[in-house]
Amino acid sequence: DAGITQSPRHKVTETGTPVTLRCHQTENHRYMYWYRQDPGHGLRLIHYSYGVKDTDKGEVSDGYSVSRSKTEDFLLTLESATSSQTSVYFCAIRTGGSYEQYFGPGTRLTVT
Amino acid sequence: KQEVTQIPAALSVPEGENLVLNCSFTDSAIYNLQWFRQDPGKGLTSLLLIQSSQREQTSGRLNASLDKSSGRSTLYIAASQPGDSATYLCAVTNSGGSNYKLTFGKGTLLTVNP
Repeated sequence: DAGITQSPRHKVTETGTPVTLRCHQTENHRYMYWYRQDPGHGLRLIHYSYGVKDTDKGEVSDGYSVSRSKTEDFLLTLESATSSQTSVYFCAIRTGGSYEQYFGPGTRLTVT
Repeated sequence: KQEVTQIPAALSVPEGENLVLNCSFTDSAIYNLQWFRQDPGKGLTSLLLIQSSQREQTSGRLNASLDKSSGRSTLYIAASQPGDSATYLCAVTNSGGSNYKLTFGKGTLLTVNP
């Protein structure tokens, strides 16, 4: 499982509240990603990081921000949660060499 | 923009049958292609990775092939078992960019009936 954990695993929050999801890896991989998975859309990239303090946007980044102050942690923040951000969020790492990606167990977020 | 399509969207087969899942992609400039398995309510498990220079990869009863020039990959599952029931996802990593992100298909939901 490439040593990836996500927290929390489940969260219910109200519209307008800030939410932070955490991804933690134990194997010192440089690249980390946040994806969301929605019925009918599949998995889509939100943000990614290519090193400490180095991040960039993916295809569905509006309403999200990220931070990476340590190699092992990649945080995803919803500044003001909306119902359209109800989704399952997956963190992933990319290995060097083969560029294979491994995924964390996911966080199911419900915004009411 | 890369687009990945998986056909069929759902497949139901009796136990023991050999089966093929299909994946097609529009841009042949890829680093690699990955097949994943996802069980209901769970995360993604990487099954096979094929580099752009390779034609196929095998792991146990699974065999994945890649025809980059035609933009196609197949996942062959031999002697299917009820435990193979899951959603299978195909994803490609495009070359030419800097983020190495995966572009996913929407998956094939496989049901293997005892």
